[in-house]
Amino acid sequence: KQEVTQIPAALSVPEGENLVLNCSFTDSAIYNLQWFRQDPGKGLTSLLLIQSSQREQTSGRLNASLDKSSGRSTLYIAASQPGDSATYLCAVGSWETSGSRLTFGEGTQLTVNP
Amino acid sequence: DGGITQSPKYLFRKEGQNVTLSCEQNLNHDAMYWYRQDPGQGLRLIYYSQIVNDFQKGDIAEGYSVSREKKESFPLTVTSAQKNPTAFYLCASSVRQRSNTEAFFGQGTRLTVV
Repeated sequence: KQEVTQIPAALSVPEGENLVLNCSFTDSAIYNLQWFRQDPGKGLTSLLLIQSSQREQTSGRLNASLDKSSGRSTLYIAASQPGDSATYLCAVGSWETSGSRLTFGEGTQLTVNP
Repeated sequence: DGGITQSPKYLFRKEGQNVTLSCEQNLNHDAMYWYRQDPGQGLRLIYYSQIVNDFQKGDIAEGYSVSREKKESFPLTVTSAQKNPTAFYLCASSVRQRSNTEAFFGQGTRLTVV
C-alpha cells in the first residue's frame, strides 16, 4: 500500500527566505506527483504536477523535483512571502485495477513571518 | 467558469440522520473522488468513480454511500452508520488517462454532528 510522508510537519520562516518542503513515498510505481496548497477551511489548489517521466516542474517562485527511483520529491519556494503561508500537500498518483487514485501526505504547515 | 462545485459549504447533522453532500463538475472529467480530511491530517479516500454507473470503495468507505448516475455529478451520503462523521469533505475530479491525470478540487463541505 502506498504511503506518503511529508517533512517537516510545520515550518516557520522569516519573509524572504528560500525554503524546501520534502515528500517521500514508498511505492515508486506512480504516474505523477502533485503539489497542492490549502488555505484554512478551503479546498485544495493545484500548484505543480510532475509526470512520472519528468524530473522537475517550475511555476514562478515554485520549483518541484521528482526522483521516482528513490521515492522523493521536493518543493522549493524562493523568496518566501507572507502570502505563501498555508498548508502544502503532496499527493502521488498510482493505478490500481479499479482505476487511478491519489494518496496524500499529511502536509506541511508553512508560516512566513513579515 | 469551469470547475467543481460542492454544496452546501456547511452542514449540520443530528445523530441518526443521513445527509447527502453534493458535488458537481463541468470539466467533462470521467473520474471523480471523495476525500475526508480531519484536523491536522491529510486526505483519506472514501469512494471513487472512473465512469458513470461505476464506483469503488476507497480506504474508509464504511458508513458512506455514493452514486454516479451522471458524468457531472457524484453525491456522497453520510449514513447513520458512520460513527464519527464530523470532518471536512472534499470532492475532486480528473481526466481518465495515464498521461494526464491532474486532479482538481472543490471548496469542500464542513459537516458537523450536533
